[in-house]
Amino acid sequence: AQKITQTQPGMFVQEKEAVTLDCTYDTSDPSYGLFWYKQPSSGEMIFLIYQGSYDQQNATEGRYSLNFQKARKSANLVISASQLGDSAMYFCAMREAFAGGTSYGKLTFGQGTILTVHP
Amino acid sequence: GAVVSQHPSRVICKSGTSVKIECRSLDFQATTMFWYRQFPKQSLMLMATSNEGSKATYEQGVEKDKFLINHASLTLSTLTVTSAHPEDSSFYICSASDTDTQYFGPGTRLTVL
Repeated sequence: AQKITQTQPGMFVQEKEAVTLDCTYDTSDPSYGLFWYKQPSSGEMIFLIYQGSYDQQNATEGRYSLNFQKARKSANLVISASQLGDSAMYFCAMREAFAGGTSYGKLTFGQGTILTVHP
Repeated sequence: GAVVSQHPSRVICKSGTSVKIECRSLDFQATTMFWYRQFPKQSLMLMATSNEGSKATYEQGVEKDKFLINHASLTLSTLTVTSAHPEDSSFYICSASDTDTQYFGPGTRLTVL
């Protein structure tokens, strides 16, 4: 079963506008972490934002915010005031049990969303 | 944030040769490093988890004799693609964890002719 789902293969946004990239997840582990990474055409994976399953507040980092809806198992990324440099592939990822688990903290990635920012 | 380096960034080799890719955590110690493979416009696929001083844990379907992983120290893990073939051509990315967050290397683009 797909653990992380990104249903938007591609998204377009006008410069200076906000955009929401969708991510839903599935886990039975009560303790987990959700991540968003940006991958520009150069290939490097850039960490954007992290949300822990027990965090009460939605995570924010500059122009990035994570709309965490635990009951719906969604962790959408909101980018405000889009810039041309935001054009890239964006990945949502989940980390399940770390210490003591068999997964050693490995990440499971969604399929990715290609964001294109138009001038 | 923490820095992870990868070397080489790009390599072209002939079919049948072996290629070694290095992954280093530059400013932190990483007991665990991860190796991913990515095809164009696709997601990252975890190949193996590398723990310092112990054998790597490979994901299902990944040939451990084909992709040799060594985690010799807390700052260095290596991936060796043995007897490479054109189908091994891909983008290989490593990451290192300092507890909460995984930091990724810049990736290595392997082309096997």
